[in-house]
Formats: sequence, C-alpha cells, structure tokens
Amino acid sequence: GAGVSQSPSNKVTEKGKDVELRCDPISGHTALYWYRQSLGQGLEFLIYFQGNSAPDKSGLPSDRFSAERTGGSVSTLTIQRTQQEDSAVYLCASSPDRRETQYFGPGTRLLVL
Amino acid sequence: KNEVEQSPQNLTAQEGEFITINCSYSVGISALHWLQQHPGGGIVSLFMLSSGKKKHGRLIATINIQEKHSSLHITASHPRDSAVYICAVAGNQFYFGTGTSLTVIP
Repeated sequence: GAGVSQSPSNKVTEKGKDVELRCDPISGHTALYWYRQSLGQGLEFLIYFQGNSAPDKSGLPSDRFSAERTGGSVSTLTIQRTQQEDSAVYLCASSPDRRETQYFGPGTRLLVL
Repeated sequence: KNEVEQSPQNLTAQEGEFITINCSYSVGISALHWLQQHPGGGIVSLFMLSSGKKKHGRLIATINIQEKHSSLHITASHPRDSAVYICAVAGNQFYFGTGTSLTVIP
C-alpha cells in the first residue's frame, strides 16, 4: 500500500519568501507529526495532529511556522518569511493512533538562499 | 541539557559482532522509539516500546522504566545494518537523541 508521501521533495527559495510543504499520510492514520532535521543535527519535533486538531504546537520554533490539517488527512506546514536557518529536511510521519508505530515520509529538503 | 542521551555516538564493528546501543532519558514518557536512518535520509521505525523487551529478527530492544534506560541490540551484525540509530521518547512532547552512527565492516 502507499506510504507517507511528501511534496515537494526539494525546495530552494530565497530568504524572505513563504514556503508551503505538504504531507499525505497513510489513509486512515489519525495521528500526524512534523519533524525537522537540520544539517548535521538531530531530529526536532515541530507539531503533532490528532485528527484535524493540534493539541501540541510546542515544537514550532517561531510564529513564522504554522501547520494545518484538513479532513483528517493532508497536512501543510507553512513557513513565512523564510530565513537561512530554516534550511533543513522537513519530515512528516503518521500513525494509526498516537500510541502506535510511526511511518515516516521521505522528507522535503528545504534550502533557503 | 539533553532529555535523551545516546551512547556511543559512533560505532564500528566487524561483520558478525553483537552490537549494543544505549539510550538514557530524563523525562517521564509514555513510549520509547528506536528509529533507523540510512544514508540518503529515509527513516524507519524499528521499535516502539513502553515496557519489557521486543524482538524483530536480529534486533532486540529493551527498556527499564525505573532506570529510564533502553538498549538496542543487533545480533550477528551485517554491513546492511550500517545506519544511524536514533532513540526518541514520547512524553509531553517528543525528544530525540543525537543518534548513533553504526558502520559494520565486512
């Protein structure tokens, strides 16, 4: 079956522009997670959705970052006024429920010039 | 201050060796995850556990909740096991270790 997909796979943008990253979770998975992995750094939790609601937004690094999920399925992560330090791989994962194994997407590599 | 500490950071082993990677954490958790990240970046969840021990093929994961410690063991290691292994804990939010880079030499 289809796994978690993310688009675009790569994104190059100029500092100050807005970007939108998309995640298509596995069908039927109610839990969806966004993570970030900067070059040479470990994984960093950004936000978690249960259905359409985000009970935990504590990981978003600044108010330039926002995320939404509609219809309990697709999620978008938006970064406004991008900065060079936003350059990273943005990973999405989904699971049937928060208490179950997560399945990771291939990530979106974002480069802010 | 790191909520999750892994050791060792880097590990080189000969094919066939028994490997142990350790993870200690300082926060209350509902579950602990072991993840595998291959060169090229793809991440696979190996285990999610909240108590005891789990086994999948040559991989074994254990957790001691009282001691806030988990271990990932690889028996009869193989070059295809070469990857970064990441410990993550789910508490109020998710915390990640910095990973253990494993290289298995034929």
